[in-house]
Amino acid sequence: DARVTQTPRHKVTEMGQEVTMRCQPILGHNTVFWYRQTMMQGLELLAYFRNRAPLDDSGMPKDRFSAEMPDATLATLKIQPSEPRDSAVYFCASGLVFGVVTDTQYFGPGTRLTVL
Amino acid sequence: AQSVAQPEDQVNVAEGNPLTVKCTYSVSGNPYLFWYVQYPNRGLQFLLKYITGDNLVKGSYGFEAEFNKSQTSFHLKKPSALVSDSALYFCAVRDDTGRRALTFGSGTRLQVQP
Repeated sequence: DARVTQTPRHKVTEMGQEVTMRCQPILGHNTVFWYRQTMMQGLELLAYFRNRAPLDDSGMPKDRFSAEMPDATLATLKIQPSEPRDSAVYFCASGLVFGVVTDTQYFGPGTRLTVL
Repeated sequence: AQSVAQPEDQVNVAEGNPLTVKCTYSVSGNPYLFWYVQYPNRGLQFLLKYITGDNLVKGSYGFEAEFNKSQTSFHLKKPSALVSDSALYFCAVRDDTGRRALTFGSGTRLQVQP
């Protein structure tokens, strides 16, 4: 049963610390998405990768957030320095897109981040 | 630009009754439409999608959705609600270019009373 995995599941840190969240997409998927979910803002897209290249990161605060895909099996989202307003659940999702045809996005269980 | 509206923050329905969760969308070109469900402390799970073809789409757990192009709607329905259907439901849309990610609605909380 293929699924997206995310680590850590929970993270509590202090303001100013670096936070790294990791995602392993489903094997064979060529797109990866990072979302942030909060009560106030709902589900926001932070970054979107296709074939490991960033396609859209307009939703990500560039001064402190960075997203990368070092290889096809790993996506990372870093926050440096972290702030209390970054507290949220961060979801990774992966999918398969070929040409203009899109398949379903499959979500990981999320990383619940608390910045004190 | 693409957008999704879920006009109801919460829908309450009695077990055994039919349920409808509303969704309207705006997109350039042809829409790809999705419904996802989120249970507490879990990630989003795919329910169903409309890409092309029959306007009535059947999905997981007995859910279905009807695509209405003239009304730009994609309402989620189920003939008989279960208490276990209580969750947060998200509608999502993207265009058919393949260059954009999904845009999600704000979510509708479905509460099914026994």
